[in-house]
Amino acid sequence: EVQLVESGGGLVQPGGSRRLSCAVSGFNSVNYWMSWVRQAPGKGLEWVAHIKEDGSERYYGDSVKDRFTISRDNAKNSLHLQMNRLRAEDSAVYYCARVRDIVQADFDNWGQGTLVTVSS
Amino acid sequence: DIQMTQSPSSLSASIGDRVTFTCRASQNIDYHLNWYQQKPGQAPKLLIYAASSLQSGVTSRFSGSGSGTDFTLTITSLQPEDSAIYYCQQSYRTLQITFGQGTRLEIK
Repeated sequence: EVQLVESGGGLVQPGGSRRLSCAVSGFNSVNYWMSWVRQAPGKGLEWVAHIKEDGSERYYGDSVKDRFTISRDNAKNSLHLQMNRLRAEDSAVYYCARVRDIVQADFDNWGQGTLVTVSS
Repeated sequence: DIQMTQSPSSLSASIGDRVTFTCRASQNIDYHLNWYQQKPGQAPKLLIYAASSLQSGVTSRFSGSGSGTDFTLTITSLQPEDSAIYYCQQSYRTLQITFGQGTRLEIK
């Protein structure tokens, strides 16, 4: 069974940093692009970042570019999101998601999400 | 960025009804359109990819159509468990994904 389990969420002060992790199991992650998608409370979905199967390519949404870094450790079946210079508008549930097919860029498996709250 | 606009923003329907949601892209996206269902407190679930392909394990009551800029998601024989928010997502710009704002479906 495919499973994605996020961790690392919590309360962070504006300007602070947080590192999210996603443990994956039930599939060979080296064969898939992986992504982070977020959802602010009561709002819609926003794509955050993609990372290629081998980690050689990374892409970001405009709102997080130059502040967030996506990475992966295929040996440990994990995905990460390093978030720096956090702002109130970064408060959201962060989901890790598997990209079924990068040409179609559809997300076929999702974690349960981890909540990040940026507030003083 | 490619803007995705969904309509209506909310919809109320009865069990057994057939409902259709619309998603419009701000430019041509060919068939690069995916649909998701999200229930309260849950992660989104992929329903349809490539505009009309049914994701494995999803009931055939869901179907998608369209190409270019206009797309639809149709649910037939509405069931109580279909109450959710439905999102479209363009993947024409694979490296700049955008979602619609969602359509909330309420079952009367």
